Amino acid sequence: EVVLTQSPGTLSLSPGERATLSCRASQTLSTRNLAWYQQKPGQAPRLLIYGASSRATGIPDRFSGSGSGTDFTLTISRLEPEDFAVYYCQQYGSSLWTFGQGTKVEIK
Amino acid sequence: QVQLQESGPGLVKPSQTLSLTCTVSGASISSGNHYWSWIRQPPGKGLEWIGYIYYSGSAYYNSSLKSRLAISVDTSKNQFSLNLTSVTAADTAMYYCARISGRAAALDYWGQGTLVTVSS
Repeated sequence: EVVLTQSPGTLSLSPGERATLSCRASQTLSTRNLAWYQQKPGQAPRLLIYGASSRATGIPDRFSGSGSGTDFTLTISRLEPEDFAVYYCQQYGSSLWTFGQGTKVEIK
Repeated sequence: QVQLQESGPGLVKPSQTLSLTCTVSGASISSGNHYWSWIRQPPGKGLEWIGYIYYSGSAYYNSSLKSRLAISVDTSKNQFSLNLTSVTAADTAMYYCARISGRAAALDYWGQGTLVTVSS
């Protein structure tokens, strides 16, 4: 089973700053099988990025994904007030899915 | 617009079976264009994949739940369901159903979730 480790656990930033979130896999992944989600309190997760770097429908271009192999990154170029939330990476492989433990982006 | 809606009891007694149904609108399960998944989230914790199913009935399960889990599909009602047996307090969680994207291994549409509490 592939384990995804996200870092940092919490990121304290101010609006307008750049956020860089990391997701490291215990095995090499196909980029097609790596996704990122945003979850706000009391809401279901929302798909942000699929295929490691493709933005989902309606996602602003301040969100970008990159990486390959075992190291993947979600970048928010300039934080807007609505971006403060928890972010999860997710992978698929061998008919099994796993999620990272999440990174909370909080207002500094 | 694709929508998913979970339904089922909000309270289940320990050792009993947790049963949930996801009703899909705006998309046809029987089209075969997508797989359909269940995910759960214990209060204050992260996401856990439960399993997924295809319109044909082929299903794949999280190995940690496999012995207690069954996911089924009813294409005539455009629904898929989850049955989890012998539940304990550790199964208390928000349960989400979601659609797997046809373009990549990602969950592109989610239900709002339903909270299931296991307690006597």
